[in-house]
Amino acid sequence: GAGVSQSPRYKVAKRGQDVALRCDPISGHVSLFWYQQALGQGPEFLTYFQNEAQLDKSGLPSDRFFAERPEGSVSTLKIQRTQQEDSAVYLCAERRLGANVLTFGAGSRLTVL
Amino acid sequence: RKEVEQDPGPFNVPEGATVAFNCTYSNSASQSFFWYRQDCRKEPKLLMSVYSSGNEDGRFTAQLNRASQYISLLIRDSKLSDSATYLCVVNVRDGNQFYFGTGTSLTVIP
Repeated sequence: GAGVSQSPRYKVAKRGQDVALRCDPISGHVSLFWYQQALGQGPEFLTYFQNEAQLDKSGLPSDRFFAERPEGSVSTLKIQRTQQEDSAVYLCAERRLGANVLTFGAGSRLTVL
Repeated sequence: RKEVEQDPGPFNVPEGATVAFNCTYSNSASQSFFWYRQDCRKEPKLLMSVYSSGNEDGRFTAQLNRASQYISLLIRDSKLSDSATYLCVVNVRDGNQFYFGTGTSLTVIP
């Protein structure tokens, strides 16, 4: 594969709507991260998976945010009852086994109206 | 206090200039250090890792000062294609805590 794949690339949601963002890493990679990047800011950590285990979700901003990776490969970040402050680019990154570097997908740009 | 602090810039420099960016980190347990480059509306991409002894990759030189907890990136002979945002990244422990600075914006002017 060409790398981490994210979809949709762009999503416009009305306030209060639920959204689901998908991340499909290169198969065989163990660790998967979600980051939120607001305009003009650096990426902010949301959550981290090692295989299917969610080992750290300390960065999720509220209980409206939920992430899963049930089979240790594809991951979904779900945002319930979206608010305008949720507007950002959501980046998924993988860390290859034995390496200590993050490789990012192109991101999903969410705009909440 | 944020884990990683950077001057957001912007830095506007002429082609051929030398420019330096600094970054400070707050956690003395930080283990690994990186510079990432992010082009407008694109994802961050690894530019280079930063090693304790300092390291160079072509026109780019990275240095680490553990005592003062800062990292630097030097770009020599700037090219138009160097225009981007440069993100300082620190990995704290166990490989799963990567903290990003806000990024420093560079524009190289013809």
